[in-house]
Amino acid sequence: GAVVSQHPSWVICKSGTSVKIECRSLDFQATTMFWYRQFPKQSLMLMATSNEGSKATYEQGVEKDKFLINHASLTLSTLTVTSAHPEDSSFYICSARGGLAGESTDTQYFGPGTRLTVL
Amino acid sequence: AQTVTQSQPEMSVQEAETVTLSCTYDTSESDYYLFWYKQPPSRQMILVIRQEAYKQQNATENRFSVNFQKAAKSFSLKISDSQLGDAAMYFCAYRDYSGTYKYIFGTGTRLKVLA
Repeated sequence: GAVVSQHPSWVICKSGTSVKIECRSLDFQATTMFWYRQFPKQSLMLMATSNEGSKATYEQGVEKDKFLINHASLTLSTLTVTSAHPEDSSFYICSARGGLAGESTDTQYFGPGTRLTVL
Repeated sequence: AQTVTQSQPEMSVQEAETVTLSCTYDTSESDYYLFWYKQPPSRQMILVIRQEAYKQQNATENRFSVNFQKAAKSFSLKISDSQLGDAAMYFCAYRDYSGTYKYIFGTGTRLKVLA
């Protein structure tokens, strides 16, 4: 099936620094990618939707200046957490809408997630 | 606004037995998609099964099948011959047929499989 990768899988940073997380669709083109945040034992919370070549659409309550999203190509989207603080520590998951050739594009395929710890 | 409800925070099933996970949703749309995703301890979200609302036939994928009741807005997942590897969080998700392609997730059901 369609594969989505995320890098890094785990990152620890100091408070005040910025962290970039990459999301790639490996074997298909993804016109739309999504970024989620998941707290322990909770569901996924959608942060933003990004379309290739255009500005991301952020969900209500998500600070666009803090969580910068760039969708520069059909296979790559990045999430940059700027001036990270301990409360930004979480599990971040990306997904890509699409599929292999001939498959429906109605399904989201998820990356393995990135655990961010801010000290 | 659409909502998805999973009323069972946790379920247990004996290995080789059958278990059904519940999901209800609310929408005013007539065309939409429904999904079940599995999230094992690795936290990788894995698509289990998908259902298009316009299809009356229930989707099946090997040991996984759904009972889709459109009028009742119910979308339950049945796992047959449960295996230890089925232990995970299971999330039900809804998506409009058109528009933003966003998913609305339920709160999840943790499935334990007992040996």
